[in-house]
Amino acid sequence: AQSVTQLDSQVPVFEEAPVELRCNYSSSVSVYLFWYVQYPNQGLQLLLKYLSGSTLVESINGFEAEFNKSQTSFHLRKPSVHISDTAEYFCAVLLAGGGADGLTFGKGTHLIIQP
Amino acid sequence: ETGVTQSPTHLIKTRGQQVTLRCSSQSGHNTVSWYQQALGQGPQFIFQYYREEENGRGNFPPRFSGLQFPNYSSELNVNALELDDSALYLCASSLDSVGEQYFGPGTRLTVT
Repeated sequence: AQSVTQLDSQVPVFEEAPVELRCNYSSSVSVYLFWYVQYPNQGLQLLLKYLSGSTLVESINGFEAEFNKSQTSFHLRKPSVHISDTAEYFCAVLLAGGGADGLTFGKGTHLIIQP
Repeated sequence: ETGVTQSPTHLIKTRGQQVTLRCSSQSGHNTVSWYQQALGQGPQFIFQYYREEENGRGNFPPRFSGLQFPNYSSELNVNALELDDSALYLCASSLDSVGEQYFGPGTRLTVT
């Protein structure tokens, strides 16, 4: 079975500062990796994903994540955060080659942007 | 292209009752997955339906059941509600089991 660990439940950071949200996973088989964002009282939105190829993936709103197979990590980074980035961020994995087991999520990291 | 919608938005039920939650997938998406998100936790996979058949299930008891219809709508049914069933229930649709999952806004279920 696979599992996802998000090491920080809450990350406070000042506006325009850089941020890194950490994610580690455990799986005996290959997985696809995802970051989802959840704004208050809303569903989940896909932020970015790694399926194969380049280990650095980017989103349209300035976030990026790097897949590190040796460290089984998929940390999310942004060089300069904005107030609107305040949200809950979830890291998730999906078994490669067959997704009928669904996404396995971490417990989430609450990103708090301070003015 | 419409997004994924869920109804109702909020629901309050009493322990022991039964509940049906509804989801309307994006047109053309043959796969729907349901997740339970308890307060302060990440979503947990309940089950997945592909072309009206259950093809994957998480660690949830049989009192959690579902249906998927040809018109891209689906239902999650929970029998004999327990207090611990209080959560946000999310559905997600995708083209297939490995495709990108598009989530609905969720139904907040409170069991008293």
